[in-house]
Amino acid sequence: GESVGLHLPTLSVQEGDNSIINCAYSNSASDYFIWYKQESGKGPQFIIDIRSNMDKRQGQRVTVLLNKTVKHLSLQIAATQPGDSAVYFCAEKHAGNMLTFGGGTRLMVKP
Amino acid sequence: ETGVTQSPTHLIKTRGQQVTLRCSSQSGHNTVSWYQQALGQGPQFIFQYYREEENGRGNFPPRFSGLQFPNYSSELNVNALELDDSALYLCASSNDRESTDTQYFGPGTRLTVL
Repeated sequence: GESVGLHLPTLSVQEGDNSIINCAYSNSASDYFIWYKQESGKGPQFIIDIRSNMDKRQGQRVTVLLNKTVKHLSLQIAATQPGDSAVYFCAEKHAGNMLTFGGGTRLMVKP
Repeated sequence: ETGVTQSPTHLIKTRGQQVTLRCSSQSGHNTVSWYQQALGQGPQFIFQYYREEENGRGNFPPRFSGLQFPNYSSELNVNALELDDSALYLCASSNDRESTDTQYFGPGTRLTVL
């Protein structure tokens, strides 16, 4: 996955607005994708997943979109809340159950 | 909370020392994966254990080794510690009988090498 060192891309949104976090993945053979949320001092928390035979999947307040043509994944969060503030990682899985993570995006929610 | 636990929470070692980190998988999970997360980066896959055997390995040297026990808990051992080994070490458990093998992470062990 890509590395951005200490300077994570940051998305700043107003509480109540919708958030869209984007991710480009690297392996066209990947068949399963996951979004994780990581709060400071904690391990990554599963949010939502999608298989490669789907292009959209919805959860509670979250939607994941998959565009295999351009190898792009996005996470949409509706009515963003202060508790959504965290670093968000996309991860892809291909042969062997190994997860490859992207570099992460920091979401900051302004009250 | 996922039910995956790790110990210790924090650890400080010096260069050249050895360290053992521990992970208890979520109930019903038979597979454990270990990841290294450097500050400000995404987790990097170290290896995975399934049925007490290594079942895939990332780009880490042999001084990173592991074990899985009959109760599916696992250990990560790192020998000859280097400064660059300072990171958050994450354990994730999953169940190969589930169609997606979703990995659920523990809180991690923060290792500092001085």
